[in-house]
Amino acid sequence: NAGVTQTPKFQVLKTGQSMTLQCAQDMNHEYMSWYRQDPGMGLRLIHYSVGAGITDQGEVPNGYNVSRSTTEDFPLRLLSAAPSQTSVYFCASSTGTSGNTIYFGEGSWLTVV
Amino acid sequence: KQEVTQIPAALSVPEGENLVLNCSFTDSAIYNLQWFRQDPGKGLTSLLLIQSSQREQTSGRLNASLDKSSGRSTLYIAASQPGDSATYLCAAKYTGNQFYFGTGTSLTVIP
Repeated sequence: NAGVTQTPKFQVLKTGQSMTLQCAQDMNHEYMSWYRQDPGMGLRLIHYSVGAGITDQGEVPNGYNVSRSTTEDFPLRLLSAAPSQTSVYFCASSTGTSGNTIYFGEGSWLTVV
Repeated sequence: KQEVTQIPAALSVPEGENLVLNCSFTDSAIYNLQWFRQDPGKGLTSLLLIQSSQREQTSGRLNASLDKSSGRSTLYIAASQPGDSATYLCAAKYTGNQFYFGTGTSLTVIP
């Protein structure tokens, strides 16, 4: 009963390095999204996808790239890490219809030094 | 930009008390509103989802209400237990599949 799986759980990066946060779901959900959670600011949407091959920007997309080559996977790429990207990142998925709930992964703690 | 506000930011109550958590949103044209629980170091778990056409939803000791005209939702927890200690977040969904989250209320239930 995997649900939404994120890796890695913890990562420390140096400024300027790049990395990919992995996200996979096994519920055949069309809609997947990435959020970042910062103290006092709630969760903010970075990018989202409504199906394989379709992605769009959320509220805070700068510095991040995404792709959706399969229904199951939705990786988030940090192109050139900056200290302002130190945060907790959550991947989420849902069926996309208004009546269905959204499922979250357990989070990825990223520190950029 | 849609805004979702949760007050208070933190709440501490003795075990057994009934309590109410508040969520306010600026735009009444919501699709639905969800309440989530977040434990330290964990992701969010959905507790209750209220559609825009509904007034309330119940699950066990939890009851969530929605008043679109006043831009408010409340989460009522009956007979609180130490295991209820967590951060509770509300999220309003509008068209376009985007959820707007509040900053949460950190609840501590004292044994």
